[in-house]
Amino acid sequence: GESVGLHLPTLSVQEGDNSIINCAYSNSASDYFIWYKQESGKGPQFIIDIRSNMDKRQGQRVTVLLNKTVKHLSLQIAATQPGDSAVYFCAEKDDKIIFGKGTRLHILP
Amino acid sequence: ETGVTQTPRHLVMGMTNKKSLKCEQHLGHNAMYWYKQSAKKPLELMFVYNFKEQTENNSVPSRFSPECPNSSHLFLHLHTLQPEDSALYLCASSQPGQGGYEQFFGPGTRLTVL
Repeated sequence: GESVGLHLPTLSVQEGDNSIINCAYSNSASDYFIWYKQESGKGPQFIIDIRSNMDKRQGQRVTVLLNKTVKHLSLQIAATQPGDSAVYFCAEKDDKIIFGKGTRLHILP
Repeated sequence: ETGVTQTPRHLVMGMTNKKSLKCEQHLGHNAMYWYKQSAKKPLELMFVYNFKEQTENNSVPSRFSPECPNSSHLFLHLHTLQPEDSALYLCASSQPGQGGYEQFFGPGTRLTVL
């Protein structure tokens, strides 16, 4: 069965605000986590990853936080822009990569 | 562009047809994947090829038949499909052994089975 999921199917954020997309996982043996972004009509695109020996990793305008105690992963997007509109989904890896369902991010003008 | 191309982008077929999906990657990767993406469901891994050898078949029905003639090309041959097979079929590639597991996805083929 699915071991990775997202708390909300849709998230609406005002342009310029920060977005926080959450993900819960159930396999405590997972040692690697990835966030993907999928725009309409396109395949998923890698955003950022994090290993289980870290609790935070930053990229350009994005930060991933990992809380292994509660098996929770989040993606923070700073100063959300219209181009951030997409479906975001997390994935975890133990012996194989398992993807979550995704959260659709809407940007409000 | 991700360096992974897929053709056709859209395909409509009847249940008795035979068609093939094509994937090509220009990244020099040695692992290629087929995924099925249905509405409101997570990505489902179908097949994995490493160095042209199939290393994973995720209990996929035999009406889906993959072929990997070389590390740059991957095909998915379709025959006697069912309407529930309608979905977006995504191809991806990665380079094993580089420490990360980033997969590069193509744009997908939107398949409709009538």
